[in-house]
Parts: sequence; structure tokens; C-alpha cells
Amino acid sequence: GESVGLHLPTLSVQEGDNSIINCAYSNSASDYFIWYKQESGKGPQFIIDIRSNMDKRQGQRVTVLLNKTVKHLSLQIAATQPGDSAVYFCAEKRHNQGGKLIFGQGTELSVKP
Amino acid sequence: NAGVMQNPRHLVRRRGQEARLRCSPMKGHSHVYWYRQLPEEGLKFMVYLQKENIIDESGMPKERFSAEFPKEGPSILRIQQVVRGDSAAYFCASSPKTGSYEQYFGPGTRLTVT
Repeated sequence: GESVGLHLPTLSVQEGDNSIINCAYSNSASDYFIWYKQESGKGPQFIIDIRSNMDKRQGQRVTVLLNKTVKHLSLQIAATQPGDSAVYFCAEKRHNQGGKLIFGQGTELSVKP
Repeated sequence: NAGVMQNPRHLVRRRGQEARLRCSPMKGHSHVYWYRQLPEEGLKFMVYLQKENIIDESGMPKERFSAEFPKEGPSILRIQQVVRGDSAAYFCASSPKTGSYEQYFGPGTRLTVT
């Protein structure tokens, strides 16, 4: 069925390195994508978003890339810090399905000092 | 600005009891979404409400679950006759207006059914 999924369930990086978290989606009607960070015992925290008419968007230390041809989304975190350790979810909003978000399974990022 | 508030943060119920989960959206936000998260899974959409209206309840189980967002007061997610499979974290998110895509999440209510 239609879904948003992540390629890797866990990712371990060294402090200071760059991290790349990937996400695949299957519905071409999706017009908006968000990355959330969830720390243990907390609610998802908005990181960055991108609309389908864009292919790249940058924030502070984070960049989201969207490749609509292969239905792929990635989150790049520059100079990863221990505070970045969390589970990262991509979510999509589909054009004809109102405001609800469809979440992927999540990738756990672990930063080694 | 206070964020999305949810209470209680932890709720323990015995099988067959009722659970009531409350959500107060961010100030100025009139759209509320409820999501459920099972352990080590992503969030699953349940229901989308505006003040006094249910807009989309396609993710709600057909029985025992209901939601409301009255003109005054918080949004309520009610689960009647809880079963162990209802144990999960329930998150509320709010957004400011129709057409606004950003959703801001509360800290969640962790429901445990014993």
C-alpha cells in the first residue's frame, strides 16, 4: 500500500560528522513534507519542511532535499552534535487528503562523542 | 507563547474503564489533530477537528473512540472500555488555520491499560 518509509532504522555517526537520513514515499500526490525530531518521552519537534515545488531547502545546520523523480527525501545534518541524538521521522501531506500527516517508521540517530 | 498542552502526561487504566485525554492547542490555533504512536513505530493519524466540527475521522477506530473540540475548552479524545491494545502514546498537534501546513505537537499522553 501507499506509505512513507525510511531506508535505515538506525544510524550511528561520530560527533562533528555530517548525517544523512533518507526517506522514500510512494504517492506522487504528496505536496508537502516535514522532518520531525523526537527525543525519548517527548512529542515530535518540527525541524524543517519543504513543498513539492522545491527541491532543496536549508535551515540552521539542516538541509532537506526532495527528488520527486524517484520519490525520495533526505535530511542532512551538518556537524552532528550529541544533542542531535533522537529518532527522526519524515511525514508527508497528500494534496487530496486534508491536513493529516502520514509518518514514516523513523530512523534512530546516535551520535558518538 | 505556550505550546500545545496535553494532560494527563501519563494515564493508567484497567481494562473496561474509560480514558479521557485532553489537548489545548497553541494560542490562536483552531485546528487540532490526534495521532497515536505504538512503541517503536511512527505516528498514525486518528482525527482532525476544528472548533465544533470533525473534519476527518478516517483514522479513528469504528468503536469505542470518539473526539470532540468544543467551542470553549480543550479537545478531548475519549476511549471507552479500554483494552490492552489501546496502550500507546497519544499526541495532539495544532495548526493555525486552513491551508497552513505546519503542525506543532504536544508532549503526548502515555496510556497504559492493565
